[in-house]
Amino acid sequence: GAVVSQHPSWVICKSGTSVKIECRSLDFQATTMFWYRQFPKQSLMLMATSNEGSKATYEQGVEKDKFLINHASLTLSTLTVTSAHPEDSSFYICSAVRPTGLTDTQYFGPGTRLTVL
Amino acid sequence: EDQVTQSPEALRLQEGESSSLNCSYTVSGLRGLFWYRQDPGKGPEFLFTLYSAGEEKEKERLKATLTKKESFLHITAPKPEDSATYLCAVEGGSNYKLTFGKGTLLTVNP
Repeated sequence: GAVVSQHPSWVICKSGTSVKIECRSLDFQATTMFWYRQFPKQSLMLMATSNEGSKATYEQGVEKDKFLINHASLTLSTLTVTSAHPEDSSFYICSAVRPTGLTDTQYFGPGTRLTVL
Repeated sequence: EDQVTQSPEALRLQEGESSSLNCSYTVSGLRGLFWYRQDPGKGPEFLFTLYSAGEEKEKERLKATLTKKESFLHITAPKPEDSATYLCAVEGGSNYKLTFGKGTLLTVNP
């Protein structure tokens, strides 16, 4: 199966600092990756689409200046939460798109738990 | 706008008690319907993709089916390790975006 990793798996930071989360596709190349956030007992909420070599596309209501996304290579996308505040505390999950069969499949990373104090 | 509704929200089964989870959807031009399993504190794990009505796929104790309006995830003789949240998602456009349902939390008691 396709393997997607995230680093770090959890992070605790002080309010006002920036945090970078890495998402890597380990055994395939991914032109497209997605970033989601998930609150307790809720489903995944899409934040943005990350395309290699181009600017990310953000969903309505997501601040692009706060959540910086860089898709520098076909195996790496990063999400930087700038000037983090307690309300940014959440579970952040990335996915990478792998061509499979008639359509493409999103394979998800293990997630990153962000806690902002 | 694509919509996905999963039912029930939660399901508690005894080990060996077979049941089904439902995923109803509305989408303009279905490219694929996906089932994922998510354990607490982890990212979703891919289970199945279904492309067209009438299609079925199986993996161990799980079987997914698809009609033009809904999909079922049948769980046969479940074990406690099958306990998880099962997510259904549809892809309706050509940009790989998925619309997720809220999930069904399955608990299998020994």
